[in-house]
Amino acid sequence: GESVGLHLPTLSVQEGDNSIINCAYSNSASDYFIWYKQESGKGPQFIIDIRSNMDKRQGQRVTVLLNKTVKHLSLQIAATQPGDSAVYFCAENPWHNNDMRFGAGTRLTVKP
Amino acid sequence: DTAVSQTPKYLVTQMGNDKSIKCEQNLGHDTMYWYKQDSKKFLKIMFSYNNKELIINETVPNRFSPKSPDKAHLNLHINSLELGDSAVYFCASSQDPDGMGGYTFGSGTRLTVV
Repeated sequence: GESVGLHLPTLSVQEGDNSIINCAYSNSASDYFIWYKQESGKGPQFIIDIRSNMDKRQGQRVTVLLNKTVKHLSLQIAATQPGDSAVYFCAENPWHNNDMRFGAGTRLTVKP
Repeated sequence: DTAVSQTPKYLVTQMGNDKSIKCEQNLGHDTMYWYKQDSKKFLKIMFSYNNKELIINETVPNRFSPKSPDKAHLNLHINSLELGDSAVYFCASSQDPDGMGGYTFGSGTRLTVV
């Protein structure tokens, strides 16, 4: 499943499928990006980050892709599990400028 | 052992009142933040603070003021509360003053103004 948009879109996937969450960022000067996961009743939790000198970075079951040409960021979750259900945010931060800005978020729902 | 803790978790109060939200971090981080999350889940930075510099988002009303008794604490004071202040407020901290490595967030304080 895949999502696009900036107004808390919802992405619903079947357990075991791969998920792709997309984010368009606005500041061409941003050179550091983070994906956060926010579960219900909790604060955002760091998942993975990427610097602008990279196009791809992999973690455990997650991959972040960065396309600076079109200012687009995506988070891929492999073999999505019910515990992955949450709101996912991308955040951008210009280098040496402590001004991290969050995108609108995407709600991921995993169906068992 | 909670890394960033906020109190209270829920706060219901009447318009016009003054209230405070406390935040403490035991990570040894030098920089702390306050974010506001609205009903559409949009997160907006309000303040960032290290023991040298307070950066205020210019859109934040001056009824909101951060107070830091020491580098492990950053409390949020709100005067003359308005209905539009209802939101979830998150405290966060970071090790790197530029935010590299991400922020560690508290679990939030849900403020309801009636």
